[in-house]
Amino acid sequence: DQQVKQNSPSLSVQEGRISILNCDYTNSMFDYFLWYKKYPAEGPTFLISISSIKDKNEDGRFTVFLNKSAKHLSLHIVPSQPGDSAVYFCAASGGFGNEKLTFGTGTRLTIIP
Amino acid sequence: NAGVTQTPKFQVLKTGQSMTLQCAQDMNHNSMYWYRQDPGMGLRLIYYSASEGTTDKGEVPNGYNVSRLNKREFSLRLESAAPSQTSVYFCASSEGVVLSEKLFFGSGTQLSVL
Repeated sequence: DQQVKQNSPSLSVQEGRISILNCDYTNSMFDYFLWYKKYPAEGPTFLISISSIKDKNEDGRFTVFLNKSAKHLSLHIVPSQPGDSAVYFCAASGGFGNEKLTFGTGTRLTIIP
Repeated sequence: NAGVTQTPKFQVLKTGQSMTLQCAQDMNHNSMYWYRQDPGMGLRLIYYSASEGTTDKGEVPNGYNVSRLNKREFSLRLESAAPSQTSVYFCASSEGVVLSEKLFFGSGTQLSVL
């Protein structure tokens, strides 16, 4: 039972445009969400996080939006750059028995020059 | 600034062989983790250690054992490898003992079991 879902395995975006990566979750107890970025042959690296008490968190070109009622979060990258080409994982945690991070399956983002 | 170091980077085993994956972190982190990544499955937690001297099972612990040797090192052992354990293994660490904190990952071990 996949509690964190990334329904788009891949996404291609023109350089300079906005990239929007989506993530849905089913467990209403989740209260902390993170995005990780992974390049080939490297481990994932932390990108940005958001707590359920907020609905938006911004860090430079990266913004994460959280819609608790829809159990949906999204990562916006503006403007997209070639170095943003990577696999992006969302992760969630929270609630009794869910202190550990649960990861989604990832979305491969390709930025087209 | 090494961060989290995993060895080996690649390994091929025959079914039934054993091996140990090594992991060390130099950030003085309290918690350490072992994940596996399989196509279409995301990252799944195998075992974790919230502090030196403690280890706990994650989502997919069967067929694995771990040792938290000291605060720096956390090893993962496959006693009798099976083809289903073919995967990419990642070690990670986090500063505190809250398990949802930001994780720092190693570069991974690509393991093939024939």
